[in-house]
Amino acid sequence: DTEVTQTPKHLVMGMTNKKSLKCEQHMGHRAMYWYKQKAKKPPELMFVYSYEKLSINESVPSRFSPECPNSSLLNLHLHALQPEDSALYLCASSQLAGRTEAFFGQGTRLTVV
Amino acid sequence: AQSVSQHNHHVILSEAASLELGCNYSYGGTVNLFWYVQYPGQHLQLLLKYFSGDPLVKGIKGFEAEFIKSKFSFNLRKPSVQWSDTAEYFCARVLSFGAGTTVTVRA
Repeated sequence: DTEVTQTPKHLVMGMTNKKSLKCEQHMGHRAMYWYKQKAKKPPELMFVYSYEKLSINESVPSRFSPECPNSSLLNLHLHALQPEDSALYLCASSQLAGRTEAFFGQGTRLTVV
Repeated sequence: AQSVSQHNHHVILSEAASLELGCNYSYGGTVNLFWYVQYPGQHLQLLLKYFSGDPLVKGIKGFEAEFIKSKFSFNLRKPSVQWSDTAEYFCARVLSFGAGTTVTVRA
């Protein structure tokens, strides 16, 4: 199984809502990532978890809150988002953080209204 | 900061033409280099990677890349493209992506 599964595929939320994005992998990878991708732009790194500990936070606003409940799961909790936060949110995993190739999920298309 | 830059924003070519996409990396730090492809509506997939060793790297779908240390480059090549190679191509270093190149192959 070389899949990274993300749910939901699409999400529309209001600026006062709280929602969560979920990501799962069963490849035994010890690093997991959240990226944000705007249309026609490259993925931008948001967070890196290595061995279930947050190792990199790329100065992401606190309205985005990551969580790694175990080595297979990664969540991104969303609260009080702005319309400019609308984007494709990608989850990825790799054997080791930054030193091996990453496997990407299909992403969650988020629209903030 | 460790980064990569891609020179071509949009490349349009006909089937059977050869493709070369440029990627340059900044000096210093870990040289773990990747090329990823994003087909329309699909997730990012790894084409090939370079960590060390043979500078000519073979990837999937007939792609290859050459690591040239003296030029800080890691260009992607394919001798003969197909319509199905239409996609967005990203060079990446460690965890950072280049701006991407949109490749359109005309039948």
